[in-house]
Amino acid sequence: EAGVVQSPRYKIIEKKQPVAFWCNPISGHNTLYWYLQNLGQGPELLIRYENEEAVDDSQLPKDRFSAERLKGVDSTLKIQPAELGDSAVYLCASSLVGADEQFFGPGTRLTVL
Amino acid sequence: ELKVEQNPLFLSMQEGKNYTIYCNYSTTSDRLYWYRQDPGKSLESLFVLLSNGAVKQEGRLMASLDTKARLSTLHITAAVHDLSATYFCAPGGFGNEKLTFGTGTRLTIIP
Repeated sequence: EAGVVQSPRYKIIEKKQPVAFWCNPISGHNTLYWYLQNLGQGPELLIRYENEEAVDDSQLPKDRFSAERLKGVDSTLKIQPAELGDSAVYLCASSLVGADEQFFGPGTRLTVL
Repeated sequence: ELKVEQNPLFLSMQEGKNYTIYCNYSTTSDRLYWYRQDPGKSLESLFVLLSNGAVKQEGRLMASLDTKARLSTLHITAAVHDLSATYFCAPGGFGNEKLTFGTGTRLTIIP
């Protein structure tokens, strides 16, 4: 069974540029999460989807971050414009609704210059 | 707001020794997860602890949960180099509610 797929794996951009990350969850997983992981810290939840609905986006900085999951499968996380402090690893995870375990993708390492 | 504290933050230990990583959290949570992360890699699920008193073991790792004390432990027995990684605990709510991760314990096993 394929795991959570993310692309790109690495991205280097200049500040004020836009950037987008893509995630394809494990087949059949209704719940999808985007996390931010700063260097030396644990992941922090940005947004959680159940199917197409964002059920928890309280930690998403909505002035510059946006996310979508139009058909309840793939998801895109966007930053516009990027700031130096956005340099981090962006992790996507998925799980079955009501399940105990979240499965993480390999992450996208963003560097903002 | 749930606070999660792991200690130690850094642990360097010799092969063959035993040690315990502690995870304290500030508010009631009915389940707790342990994850492993290798440098530059994603998180790998190790244990899911679903109730007070739960104990799970896999190889040289054993995890336990005391929900009354809001404490989980990850015990390492006879450490080997392959266990070098960062270990995160994450208390969570029922179902798919938000996981709050600790800062992690970076474990280095020295030959």
